[in-house]
Amino acid sequence: QKEVEQDPGPLSVPEGAIVSLNCTYSNSAFQYFMWYRQYSRKGPELLMYTYSSGNKEDGRFTAQVDKSSKYISLFIRDSQPSDSATYLCAMSAQGNYQLIWGAGTKLIIKP
Amino acid sequence: SAVISQKPSRDICQRGTSLTIQCQVDSQVTMMFWYRQQPGQSLTLIATANQGSEATYESGFVIDKFPISRPNLTFSTLTVSNMSPEDSSIYLCSVEIRAREQFFGPGTRLTVL
Repeated sequence: QKEVEQDPGPLSVPEGAIVSLNCTYSNSAFQYFMWYRQYSRKGPELLMYTYSSGNKEDGRFTAQVDKSSKYISLFIRDSQPSDSATYLCAMSAQGNYQLIWGAGTKLIIKP
Repeated sequence: SAVISQKPSRDICQRGTSLTIQCQVDSQVTMMFWYRQQPGQSLTLIATANQGSEATYESGFVIDKFPISRPNLTFSTLTVSNMSPEDSSIYLCSVEIRAREQFFGPGTRLTVL
């Protein structure tokens, strides 16, 4: 079993829909949780960063961490075709700089 | 954040040759990382490069195959040695700006024939 599980998709939704992307993990020591967006032929771009648990909102993006369920989510409101990309979750434990990555979910927003 | 550049952006190489990839950051950073990403796959950490010390390699990666230099706080190189077609991949460098916040370069797309 991988430490971080993420459905690779693709996930296809119509423009304007609310998108929910998720990752589950097995290591209860994880404290840092990140979401990255990667466009085709580009490097990953840090989108959201959360330490410990709770919610964080930035514009149309909301990141949620549920440590009791070992489950993190990224919500995208009013999705746009420009949101079409691969979204990777990454996480890390205290005292360990290495990031553990999900497989990435390919998201397609249809105009 | 940080602005990170990589050279070359892409290359096509012959089997048995070596390629050195450069990573330049616009600010001084302690930790730099080198990753490999196969098409359609997630990221695999090759090694961590801290200035003034030997690089730390992950399981499955060795210094003879992927020698790394880190001469100062803004620059690093990764060499892919004695290449085979299995080394065809995207190679990414990243830097840690704040705890666990890594920022990535645009990547180097390598094809080995």
